Amino acid sequence: ELKVEQNPLFLSMQEGKNYTIYCNYSTTSDRLYWYRQDPGKSLESLFVLLSNGAVKQEGRLMASLDTKARLSTLHITAAVHDLSATYFCAAGSLIQGAQKLVFGQGTRLTINP
Amino acid sequence: DVKVTQSSRYLVKRTGEKVFLECVQDMDHENMFWYRQDPGLGLRLIYFSYDVKMKEKGDIPEGYSVSREKKERFSLILESASTNQTSMYLCASSISGSRTEAFFGQGTRLTVV
Repeated sequence: ELKVEQNPLFLSMQEGKNYTIYCNYSTTSDRLYWYRQDPGKSLESLFVLLSNGAVKQEGRLMASLDTKARLSTLHITAAVHDLSATYFCAAGSLIQGAQKLVFGQGTRLTINP
Repeated sequence: DVKVTQSSRYLVKRTGEKVFLECVQDMDHENMFWYRQDPGLGLRLIYFSYDVKMKEKGDIPEGYSVSREKKERFSLILESASTNQTSMYLCASSISGSRTEAFFGQGTRLTVV
């Protein structure tokens, strides 16, 4: 059974600092996804990681995937207040052509001025 | 832009009522999903559908059923609502294939009293 664990679950940091959110998954997965959720809002797709060694960057966020270690990371560089949100990773397995996603618990990130 | 629309943002229902949550997507996606989101648990998959009239159980299907009579519409049904089904419900859709992310609706916060 595929399980996904994130850590930390809560993260409070200062603007300008760097930090990393970790996402471990328990069995082989086709794909790894990162989503952002603002309070009261839906989930917004950030990254889709398709293969071992994949690295994607968008602004101050960078995601990577190590399929051998079953680990993905979301690195935040020089954090700014606008990045405050809850971040979810999800591992996918393909069933009948649909990516069935198993989500981590989410990491609530608060960035203080 | 992909649009996934859920019929209600907030619902309050009584224990034992039959409840329908509706979701419509406008991008001709083959796959549609229903998740529930609870604090500390992330998102958990209830059911998904990979084609009209086709469905698969997710990780927590008990107490729920679904209907997909048309490609753009996916309904979640609570046959007899209970207080432990109080939650945020999120609908998502995606195209077939393993390289794509799912797009989420805005969510329905259901309270069963």
